[in-house]
Amino acid sequence: DAKTTQPPSMDCAEGRAANLPCNHSTISGNEYVYWYRQIHSQGPQYIIHGLKNNETNEMASLIITEDRKSSTLILPHATLRDTAVYYCIVNENSNSGYALNFGKGTSLLVTP
Amino acid sequence: GAVVSQHPSWVICKSGTSVKIECRSLDFQATTMFWYRQFPKQSLMLMATSNEGSKATYEQGVEKDKFLINHASLTLSTLTVTSAHPEDSSFYICSARGLNEQFFGPGTRLTVL
Repeated sequence: DAKTTQPPSMDCAEGRAANLPCNHSTISGNEYVYWYRQIHSQGPQYIIHGLKNNETNEMASLIITEDRKSSTLILPHATLRDTAVYYCIVNENSNSGYALNFGKGTSLLVTP
Repeated sequence: GAVVSQHPSWVICKSGTSVKIECRSLDFQATTMFWYRQFPKQSLMLMATSNEGSKATYEQGVEKDKFLINHASLTLSTLTVTSAHPEDSSFYICSARGLNEQFFGPGTRLTVL
């Protein structure tokens, strides 16, 4: 079972920031927060991950609350190509060998 | 980033035939690969974990004799759907574990007539 809760869908205007929330209230101390996205009929694409500090890369920023029970993925300037299903997943570091378990994700629609 | 490929990208077969799907890690070695299945409008469901040189571990409800997995090298895992039926039609996706994240293949769409 997925250990995360995400809104089923969100809309965002092109050029605006898209803020995607995720609740993971049962996260344990050694579990990371991973974000992936899946564009229609493609394999999931890695976006970002973090443990407790905020993280930023060329794709997005990840804000994790101090108690680690929730996080927000921020796409700073959404484009039409960012329309996809976004999955928030908690898991031990990939070296643990555990598979990523996908919940239902958030379907993000970026509109012109 | 690391690349994982799958072949074929799509396949159509007759009911009762077997289909083999290949998953390759192109620029890194993967001791562990995972196979997922995704039905329309649903999320990815883990089918099995494939470890190089050993037997795969299947999730509950996944028939190991129907979905044969072979992970003979550090860069290749194969999934064979034996005696395929229309209900096996789905999007099959593999992933390979890298240093810090898992990388996913582009998926294989299987249609069984």
